[in-house]
Amino acid sequence: GAVVSQHPSRVICKSGTSVKIECRSLDFQATTMFWYRQFPKQSLMLMATSNEGSKATYEQGVEKDKFLINHASLTLSTLTVTSAHPEDSSFYICSARGDRGYSSGYTFGSGTRLTVV
Amino acid sequence: SQQGEEDPQALSIQEGENATMNCSYKTSINNLQWYRQNSGRGLVHLILIRSNEREKHSGRLRVTLDTSKKSSSLLITASRAADTASYFCATAGLYSGAGSYQLTFGKGTKLSVIP
Repeated sequence: GAVVSQHPSRVICKSGTSVKIECRSLDFQATTMFWYRQFPKQSLMLMATSNEGSKATYEQGVEKDKFLINHASLTLSTLTVTSAHPEDSSFYICSARGDRGYSSGYTFGSGTRLTVV
Repeated sequence: SQQGEEDPQALSIQEGENATMNCSYKTSINNLQWYRQNSGRGLVHLILIRSNEREKHSGRLRVTLDTSKKSSSLLITASRAADTASYFCATAGLYSGAGSYQLTFGKGTKLSVIP
């Protein structure tokens, strides 16, 4: 089945530094990937839609200069949190549509817990 | 922006009982999906129902969709302790290209199944 690998699963960084999160589709080509943010005990909020070879489309209220998304290949999308601050601490999840059509739904990475200290 | 609203927000049942979760949404959809999330983990796709379908089954899961009421329900029969998790509905509406639609998630129902 479709597998999406997200790395790292946990990261702690100092305020002001940048952190890169990788999202890879292991056995299928993901022309579109999605990045979400989830606050504790809350739902997933779509941050941006990433299409291979083009600029990401950001949702309203999401700073594109702060959350840099790169989708340079059909199997890899990256999210870089630049100049991280404690309020950026959150759970970040990526997803891509499975390759079995709609019946397979979307495949999610296992998430990255970012803590900015 | 969120459009799905699940209820109840939390549900606690005994093992063996059935669990029913409901989801309402506001805009037109292409399909509706249910996902499960264990604490602090990624989401696992459970079932997808298209806008022209009314009911779908998968193992112990039964999903209904009423597009006139913009609502869906997820029934888990004969629940097990291992079913303890948060369950989210997600509607696919806005087309994002390459055969993909944006998913908009509800707030989720936290299910606790007591052994």
